[in-house]
Amino acid sequence: DTGVSQDPRHKITKRGQNVTFRCDPISEHNRLYWYRQTLGQGPEFLTYFQNEAQLEKSRLLSDRFSAERPKGSFSTLEIQRTEQGDSAMYLCASSGTKETQYFGPGTRLLVL
Amino acid sequence: AQSVTQLGSHVSVSEGALVLLRCNYSSSVPPYLFWYVQYPNQGLQLLLKYTSAATLVKGINGFEAEFKKSETSFHLTKPSAHMSDAAEYFCAVGPNDYKLSFGAGTTVTVRA
Repeated sequence: DTGVSQDPRHKITKRGQNVTFRCDPISEHNRLYWYRQTLGQGPEFLTYFQNEAQLEKSRLLSDRFSAERPKGSFSTLEIQRTEQGDSAMYLCASSGTKETQYFGPGTRLLVL
Repeated sequence: AQSVTQLGSHVSVSEGALVLLRCNYSSSVPPYLFWYVQYPNQGLQLLLKYTSAATLVKGINGFEAEFKKSETSFHLTKPSAHMSDAAEYFCAVGPNDYKLSFGAGTTVTVRA
């Protein structure tokens, strides 16, 4: 197993455009998490899934953000009508139940 | 609610010297506590975690941390720094193992 993977690793977009990121967790992990990390800060929790169910969402996840995990395997995070304030590193992690979270390398988003 | 304060955004140590990274937490329930390390352009890697089994926790790469409830602290130490320890370190707290709150991080540089 190669760990958690994320695609793309980098994304540059113009303000107002929609972007979608993908996360592939470690195959046997039933939990998947999304975090956002801005420059000079630690990761901030956005949301998490257990299998295909989205169990918790942070207040940081505005209406422009949506996350899915349709078959309980990979997940997508979509940002609609991007704003410059959305520029950040978006991190995905996965774990088994009550186990350590393993993080992917992240997707760095720059909104111009 | 849970929160973490990491004292010192940058720490510089000489190779072979003690590494001490400070973390204080606030938690309304018995906390889960973690230290993660992040190397440039990589995801976060777990160094160690506290889940109430023992107050002194040993992790990977020679790091350890001590949980002190009276001081609400979970400081990270390594007796002898190595050049490969240069990275950013994050302390995290959670009421459980899935919804983590991270500190702002401490960047460690190691002088030859």
